[in-house]
Amino acid sequence: DADVTQTPRNRITKTGKRIMLECSQTKGHDRMYWYRQDPGLGLRLIYYSFDVKDINKGEISDGYSVSRQAQAKFSLSLESAIPNQTALYFCATSGTLRGDSYNEQFFGPGTRLTVL
Amino acid sequence: GEDVEQSLFLSVREGDSSVINCTYTDSSSTYLYWYKQEPGAGLQLLTYIFSNMDMKQDQRLTVLLNKKDKHLSLRIADTQTGDSAIYFCAEQNYGQNFVFGPGTRLSVLP
Repeated sequence: DADVTQTPRNRITKTGKRIMLECSQTKGHDRMYWYRQDPGLGLRLIYYSFDVKDINKGEISDGYSVSRQAQAKFSLSLESAIPNQTALYFCATSGTLRGDSYNEQFFGPGTRLTVL
Repeated sequence: GEDVEQSLFLSVREGDSSVINCTYTDSSSTYLYWYKQEPGAGLQLLTYIFSNMDMKQDQRLTVLLNKKDKHLSLRIADTQTGDSAIYFCAEQNYGQNFVFGPGTRLSVLP
């Protein structure tokens, strides 16, 4: 089974609709992230959470909100979707490897969101 | 703020070496990473280098770090069609967030 799962994998919605993207992880990591990917722009950080009670805005948080329901779950909401939120959204977790202090990020498979 | 830059496209012939370059601005970066994204998938860590190293080799992959110029490169020897993907450079200041480059799309021609 995948360590980081995202639902849905694809979603088409209309302008003004509320939509939630969900992420679950079985890595046992405290840190979770939401990114969006746009061609030529790479990954941009929307929100991140270093533990259940810690939520932080990233580079492009406007128009988005998040909820960290449990250590393993981190959901992203678009309260009123707009067409320029059409993108590929990735959830990620990170942890510290044994015997090394670097942090590897583990990514989910992505959610392709289209806002019409 | 921190910035990571990469060229967007690279084409090589199968069997040749590929070199993907990256520049970053944060002089306090502790770790630098290369991630690979295959079509329809999330990113996967390929390799990383600690900032006090200048080279790391892992099978067909060689990472070179020039900390003075804030330049990172990834060399893939004997490039295969399965290496076709988008490669992301990322930097991290220890304990902080990751900053990703825009990704380089590597196309391997037969």
